[in-house]
Amino acid sequence: GALVYQYPRRTICKSGTSMRMECQAVGFQATSVAWYRQSPQKTFELIALSTVNSAIKYEQNFTQEKFPISHPNLSFSSMTVLNAYLEDRGLYLCGARVQGGNTLYFGEGSRLIVV
Amino acid sequence: QQKVQQSPESLIVPEGGMASLNCTSSDRNVDYFWWYRQHSGKSPKMLMSIFSNGEKEEGRFTVHLNKASLHTSLHIRDSQPSDSALYLCAASRNSNNRIFFGDGTQLVVKP
Repeated sequence: GALVYQYPRRTICKSGTSMRMECQAVGFQATSVAWYRQSPQKTFELIALSTVNSAIKYEQNFTQEKFPISHPNLSFSSMTVLNAYLEDRGLYLCGARVQGGNTLYFGEGSRLIVV
Repeated sequence: QQKVQQSPESLIVPEGGMASLNCTSSDRNVDYFWWYRQHSGKSPKMLMSIFSNGEKEEGRFTVHLNKASLHTSLHIRDSQPSDSALYLCAASRNSNNRIFFGDGTQLVVKP
């Protein structure tokens, strides 16, 4: 399958600070990148869908002001969690879609721990 | 977010047994379904996809899809302890590229 690198794997941050995570597609062009959050209770939420040269579409309960995303080219995307609090804890996953395909390929995730 | 409901939440089967997992979408316009497997501490990996009514088999894994009822199921025969994982169902409309996931079924295969 397609290879997606995501980093950092784990961040511990103080309440009210921010965390930036990056997602790199290796060896393929990712026409779109979807960011998800898997909570400690295992709920799996779509945060936003980012397609190069199109506006980023955020889902209900997620905003650009809180989760700004950058997607400058077909192999790289980043997302920041601003002013993180306890409810933002979880595993943040980026899923990249291969050009011409339907399946999402996930990176290993960035785990956010807020203290 | 559109709802993808999975059942059961957790399932324990003996080694060699059959595991059956269910998934239903609340979106009547869904076109595609996937099953992903997530081992503890790892990211989800795509297991199987199904886009047409009917059945698809790959080794010990079989998926069924009934588009009229928006229901898909995954069956694992001759279950192995290495199959123990969180199984996630995902669904998408063709038109908008957004893929929604259920919260998963935690499968434990006991030796």
